[in-house]
Amino acid sequence: EDQVTQSPEALRLQEGESSSLNCSYTVSGLRGLFWYRQDPGKGPEFLFTLYSAGEEKEKERLKATLTKKESFLHITAPKPEDSATYLCAVSTNPNKLIFGTGTLLAVQP
Amino acid sequence: DADVTQTPRNRITKTGKRIMLECSQTKGHDRMYWYRQDPGLGLRLIYYSFDVKDINKGEISDGYSVSRQAQAKFSLSLESAIPNQTALYFCATSPGRSSYNEQFFGPGTRLTVL
Repeated sequence: EDQVTQSPEALRLQEGESSSLNCSYTVSGLRGLFWYRQDPGKGPEFLFTLYSAGEEKEKERLKATLTKKESFLHITAPKPEDSATYLCAVSTNPNKLIFGTGTLLAVQP
Repeated sequence: DADVTQTPRNRITKTGKRIMLECSQTKGHDRMYWYRQDPGLGLRLIYYSFDVKDINKGEISDGYSVSRQAQAKFSLSLESAIPNQTALYFCATSPGRSSYNEQFFGPGTRLTVL
């Protein structure tokens, strides 16, 4: 059965304290891995798409990487405005995204 | 203006009532989706549509129906609401040119069924 697992469930950082969020997956044929950010009371906001192992993408303080079994979202020198839930999703066919349950990130000033 | 809009944003209703949630998009995307989000379960797909004439069930379609009135409009109906349909509902769109494009989400509808 296709599965996506995110860890940790929650993470509290001090401003400037870099860390990584993990998304591990077991799927039959990865077509794409997506990272989203979700603020309370809002819809998920698209961040990155990764298609193949070894691929990396960056946006401001965020960097996403992909291996054959997992993806990491690295957060460098986070600020309080980076506080949100980060969702990972994988696509195994054209019709379906499988979402993880997310990591709730809190960055304290 | 938001590219994907949902109405209403919040709704409280009673068991047995019929409810319609509406989604409109100005992104020009062919594909539209309805998801529900529950704490600890993540986002789950209810229905999806690749164009006006193409409607497909997702993993949790029981108790729901949809209508694609136009390329830009996709509605979700609960024919007879029940309390375990209390959840956050999201509409999403994606372009149809590539099978694995990212999806863009609306702001959500918080539905409470008493």
